[in-house]
Amino acid sequence: NAGVTQTPKFRVLKTGQSMTLLCAQDMNHEYMYWYRQDPGMGLRLIHYSVGEGTTAKGEVPDGYNVSRLKKQNFLLGLESAAPSQTSVYFCASWGYTTSTDTQYFGPGTRLTVL
Amino acid sequence: DQQVKQNSPSLSVQEGRISILNCDYTNSMFDYFLWYKKYPAEGPTFLISISSIKDKNEDGRFTVFLNKSAKHLSLHIVPSQPGDSAVYFCAASAGQGASKLTFGTGTRLQVTL
Repeated sequence: NAGVTQTPKFRVLKTGQSMTLLCAQDMNHEYMYWYRQDPGMGLRLIHYSVGEGTTAKGEVPDGYNVSRLKKQNFLLGLESAAPSQTSVYFCASWGYTTSTDTQYFGPGTRLTVL
Repeated sequence: DQQVKQNSPSLSVQEGRISILNCDYTNSMFDYFLWYKKYPAEGPTFLISISSIKDKNEDGRFTVFLNKSAKHLSLHIVPSQPGDSAVYFCAASAGQGASKLTFGTGTRLQVTL
C-alpha cells in the first residue's frame, strides 16, 4: 500500500515550457487535490476532483489544467510555465471510508521555472 | 482574505518543555479542525483533529484545544522532543469534514537539546 505517490520529485523548466505532474493513489479515494506550497503562504488549493471524470477550480487555478481520467490518477498540467509557478506541489486524496477523517498527502514535487 | 492564521512563523523550545502552537480563524462556519506535521522534503502528515462539539482532544503527547468563542485553537506538545522539529499546519473545514480544507501558513517548530 503505497498511499499517494507523485512523479517527478524534482523538475526544472524554462519559461514557456510545458509539463505534467502525475499523482496516483491506491486507497480507492473519491476525492483528489492539487496544492502548491510557497514560503509564508501555506498550502493553497489549485484544483480538485470529487470523482473520476470530474474536476473543479480551487483557490489559485490560473495557469494550470487538470484531468482525472481514472479514479486512481490525477494529473496537473502547466501549458506555458512561468517563474511565478516555481513552487512545491502536493497531491492529496480523501475518501468516504477512511477511518480517520483526513486528507493523505504525497511527498511533493519541487518545480523550478527559470 | 486569510481565513486561517498562524501568526507565529517560528517557535523554538527546549527538549522536555511544552510547545504551544497557535491558530486563529475568522470563519464562524468552521466546525472541524486538524493539525498536520511536515518534515522537509516530505508531504504533510495528519497529527490530530478536533470537532467543534469538543473543546479538547488528546493523543499521547499531543493535545488540541478549541476555543470557539475566541475562534482560536492551539496544539500542545508535552514533552517536546527533537523529532518534533517540523513545520506544523492547522487546517479547518466548514461542514465538509476533511474533504475540503483551508490551511494556515504554518509554524516552524525547532526543539533544541
